[in-house]
Formats: sequence, C-alpha cells, structure tokens
Amino acid sequence: GAVVSQHPSWVICKSGTSVKIECRSLDFQATTMFWYRQFPKQSLMLMATSNEGSKATYEQGVEKDKFLINHASLTLSTLTVTSAHPEDSSFYICSARLSYEQYFGPGTRLTVT
Amino acid sequence: ELKVEQNPLFLSMQEGKNYTIYCNYSTTSDRLYWYRQDPGKSLESLFVLLSNGAVKQEGRLMASLDTKARLSTLHITAAVHDLSATYFCAGGAGNMLTFGGGTRLMVKP
Repeated sequence: GAVVSQHPSWVICKSGTSVKIECRSLDFQATTMFWYRQFPKQSLMLMATSNEGSKATYEQGVEKDKFLINHASLTLSTLTVTSAHPEDSSFYICSARLSYEQYFGPGTRLTVT
Repeated sequence: ELKVEQNPLFLSMQEGKNYTIYCNYSTTSDRLYWYRQDPGKSLESLFVLLSNGAVKQEGRLMASLDTKARLSTLHITAAVHDLSATYFCAGGAGNMLTFGGGTRLMVKP
C-alpha cells in the first residue's frame, strides 16, 4: 500500500514553454502533498507544500508564479513549471503524507533546452 | 528552523567492512527518517525512528536515535556491493521533512 505515482517520468521541453507534472496517491487520500527539487549530486529541497482545497505554501526563494501548484482532489496534485528555462532543469519529486510518513513518487526528470 | 547535517558526505568502503553514517540535527525533531536513493531514482524509505533510544534493523543496516544528543546513526554491517547508493536522513517537524546533505556510499569488492 501507500503508492505514489508521478507523470511523466521524464520530459524535454523548449525554453519558454510550460510543463505540467502530476502526482497521484494511488491507494490512499492525501490532504497534504509536497514538491521537492533535486539537482545532480545534491539533496532534496522542499519547494512547496500542497494542501487540498487551498493555496500551496511556498518555501522562501521559490517563485509561486513560476511554479504553479494545484491540489484539486485528495489524490492529485499538479506542478506546472511556467515559461521554463534551462536552469529549471532538475529532478522533481513529489510526496504524499499519510500519518507521520511521507511516501515519495518516482520523480520526474525535466530537461529544458 | 530545523537543520540536518550528515557526515561523511562520501564513503568508499570495502565489502565485508563495517561503518557508520552520522546525522545531527539542530532543534527538536518529532521523528527521524532514513532513506536510500539509487542513481536516477526516487527515495526508498528505510527506517522511521520515533522516540529516544529507538533502534531498528533491516538486514545489514541498523538505525538508532538519541534525541538528547540530537543524533541518529545508520550502521552498516559487513557491507556488500548492493548497498552502494546515496543515503539521506531527514528530520520531521510538523508536516515537513528537512533533509541532510546525503552520504554517497560506494562499496568496493
């Protein structure tokens, strides 16, 4: 149990375009999901906390107008990277909270050319 | 603000040897987690430690928590090549996790 999926697993897009990443909790409901970004050989950095039915809470330094988060249901959160630039290329990982655990999705590798 | 530090950042060890990864955290944390990450993959949960003195073991890995010292350890016994990966500890406070910098472990034959 407690499986989290992400789609797509990898995506290549051109500079200036937008990309949407989906995060789904498959067998449980999650009022809270999290979005992390991980650059090569670095740790995970929390970008934002996604709360079902309300606005996301962004960490300091994360542009909320660039990284749009929508948590429209108890099983789905989406992250849209708007007007992507090469420096947005990274590994994006979501997690969903169940009790005191966070269950991590498999990640989405974004490459912006 | 919770800060989490791991050391060493990189560890090269031979098969059959023992070693310990250390995780220090700066303020009170509700719980402490250990994760494994293989290259190009997401995180795999290893252990959750919820109270002072907690010890958990799975195979060749054992994790412990000393909340008074604000220290958790991940001990590797008789390492094998399959344990090569990056290991992260994370402190939990409220809803959120704060990750350490990770320890990249290479086990050589």
